[in-house]
Amino acid sequence: QKEVEQDPGPLSVPEGAIVSLNCTYSNSAFQYFMWYRQYSRKGPELLMYTYSSGNKEDGRFTAQVDKSSKYISLFIRDSQPSDSATYLCAMSGSGAGSYQLTFGKGTKLSVIP
Amino acid sequence: DTEVTQTPKHLVMGMTNKKSLKCEQHMGHRAMYWYKQKAKKPPELMFVYSYEKLSINESVPSRFSPECPNSSLLNLHLHALQPEDSALYLCASSQDGAGSTRGYTFGSGTRLTVV
Repeated sequence: QKEVEQDPGPLSVPEGAIVSLNCTYSNSAFQYFMWYRQYSRKGPELLMYTYSSGNKEDGRFTAQVDKSSKYISLFIRDSQPSDSATYLCAMSGSGAGSYQLTFGKGTKLSVIP
Repeated sequence: DTEVTQTPKHLVMGMTNKKSLKCEQHMGHRAMYWYKQKAKKPPELMFVYSYEKLSINESVPSRFSPECPNSSLLNLHLHALQPEDSALYLCASSQDGAGSTRGYTFGSGTRLTVV
């Protein structure tokens, strides 16, 4: 079983739809959870950063972490064509070596006008 | 300044060439990283520098040689590469030498093609 599982998609939605992206993980030591957006031929851009369980909202984006289920989600409300990109979940532990990120494979999202 | 700057953006090199990739940040981050990303794959960690010292080398072939001249600069020296080394090479930096991935910032990458 891979440490982080993420459905690669592709996922295609109409403009204005609510998008739900998910990752599951197996390592209970993970404490920090991130979502990155990566446009084609660009570096990943940090969207959301969450510590431990709970919700975090930033504009149209909401990140949820459920450590008991080892499941994290990213919701995008009122999706726009400019949201079309690959979304990578990433996570890390605490203590020595915790700056090492473990990525999911990424989900490619297309928002159709 | 909240950016990680990488140069060059694109590089084509022959298998006998020697070239270097450069990365610079002025955010006061004390950890810097090299990642390799193949098409449709997540980034793979290559090297980690913490407080200018190499702390992680993820079994990377010796044809890749990292260097951290100071806390703001990171280089990746390339020599005798193979076509399968063609990829997007990403530099990143983060606050603290260890313990937190808060503020982990990636550069836009260097797209390397080995011919």
